Amino acid sequence: DGGITQSPKYLFRKEGQNVTLSCEQNLNHDAMYWYRQDPGQGLRLIYYSQIVNDFQKGDIAEGYSVSREKKESFPLTVTSAQKNPTAFYLCASSPGLAMETQYFGPGTRLLVL
Amino acid sequence: AQKITQTQPGMFVQEKEAVTLDCTYDTSDPSYGLFWYKQPSSGEMIFLIYQGSYDQQNATEGRYSLNFQKARKSANLVISASQLGDSAMYFCAMREDLNYNQGGKLIFGQGTELSVKP
Repeated sequence: DGGITQSPKYLFRKEGQNVTLSCEQNLNHDAMYWYRQDPGQGLRLIYYSQIVNDFQKGDIAEGYSVSREKKESFPLTVTSAQKNPTAFYLCASSPGLAMETQYFGPGTRLLVL
Repeated sequence: AQKITQTQPGMFVQEKEAVTLDCTYDTSDPSYGLFWYKQPSSGEMIFLIYQGSYDQQNATEGRYSLNFQKARKSANLVISASQLGDSAMYFCAMREDLNYNQGGKLIFGQGTELSVKP
């Protein structure tokens, strides 16, 4: 079954701690994205990657970092510099950057202790 | 200015009836795409339907259709024969060709919460 998996489903972060959210896809898609969703809001783009070893900042990249060492994987690290990390994080992928549909994973909910 | 506007925070519909969820958009790009996603309480964003700005006909996917009125910049989602499982948040989103150098990001509206009554 092709799709996008995200783990963990819930993640708790202590003050000053970096945490990493996993995103894996087996759709053979070139492009991958990370979005953040706050309660009652739409999604906002954090980072995106068009190809392996390349990624670009989105609208709200401050306090986050990513890597793209493999086509299938696009992990997101929420650093201690992100002062308000509590949110729902969604990973997506698409075949390319043209008008193809983006398909989403099930999401990770990050909470601060 | 809001690029995507969904004016209905919440909607109710009786099971088996049709419902229209409103979406208006703002862009100066002649080439763009409009998407609707469903987000159930589990959180996953489920793709429903796509309309390209140059498409001559309104998009349809099963019980979903998109009422595309380009001159009015509206892209309303119509769900026919509502089912209890349709209860969810619905998001309208847009991709602009001008955003190619931004990864073709999706711009989302605030969403409409649809509740289907038995």
